[in-house]
Amino acid sequence: SQTIHQWPATLVQPVGSPLSLECTVEGTSNPNLYWYRQAAGRGLQLLFYSVGIGQISSEVPQNLSASRPQDRQFILSSKKLLLSDSGFYLCAWSPLGGRQPQHFGDGTRLSIL
Amino acid sequence: SQQGEEDPQALSIQEGENATMNCSYKTSINNLQWYRQNSGRGLVHLILIRSNEREKHSGRLRVTLDTSKKSSSLLITASRAADTASYFCAVSNFGNEKLTFGTGTRLTIIP
Repeated sequence: SQTIHQWPATLVQPVGSPLSLECTVEGTSNPNLYWYRQAAGRGLQLLFYSVGIGQISSEVPQNLSASRPQDRQFILSSKKLLLSDSGFYLCAWSPLGGRQPQHFGDGTRLSIL
Repeated sequence: SQQGEEDPQALSIQEGENATMNCSYKTSINNLQWYRQNSGRGLVHLILIRSNEREKHSGRLRVTLDTSKKSSSLLITASRAADTASYFCAVSNFGNEKLTFGTGTRLTIIP
């Protein structure tokens, strides 16, 4: 069966520090991969998605970047975090095609101090 | 935007009652999906209804879709305390690799 791993679960970082969040999927090949951010009590904002290795689509101009160095690995990064980067970050995958249900990791709660 | 909008934003009911949540969207869709999120966790897919379907059932869940009104509803029958969560609709467009999520309904079941 397919599983998705996202870590760390919580992270506290100072303003101006770098960020790297990692997401990996097991048990499937060629998945679509997604990074979302969720503000407290709000819906999901799509940040990036990828349909293949090295292919990244950015939805919102911001202080973050994403990379997909391997088929089942998706990384969210920042060189210098801002206070506004605080939030709950969720990684998800779906079978190639995009119209299928998405399967989410347990998220990373990021607090910027 | 294509974003789904859920209604109500929050709903509290007694255990055993039925809960109904609504979702509206703005443009043509390929399918509409409902997800559930427990506090502090990731989303879990509940049910998918295609644009050519009008109703779908899964256990205690019943979803309807009215493409003429661009709306969907999620009915949870015989609610349980464990149903307490936030519920989101998400729409998929044709030729698109992504979903657009609504803002969610926070459901509280009172034991």
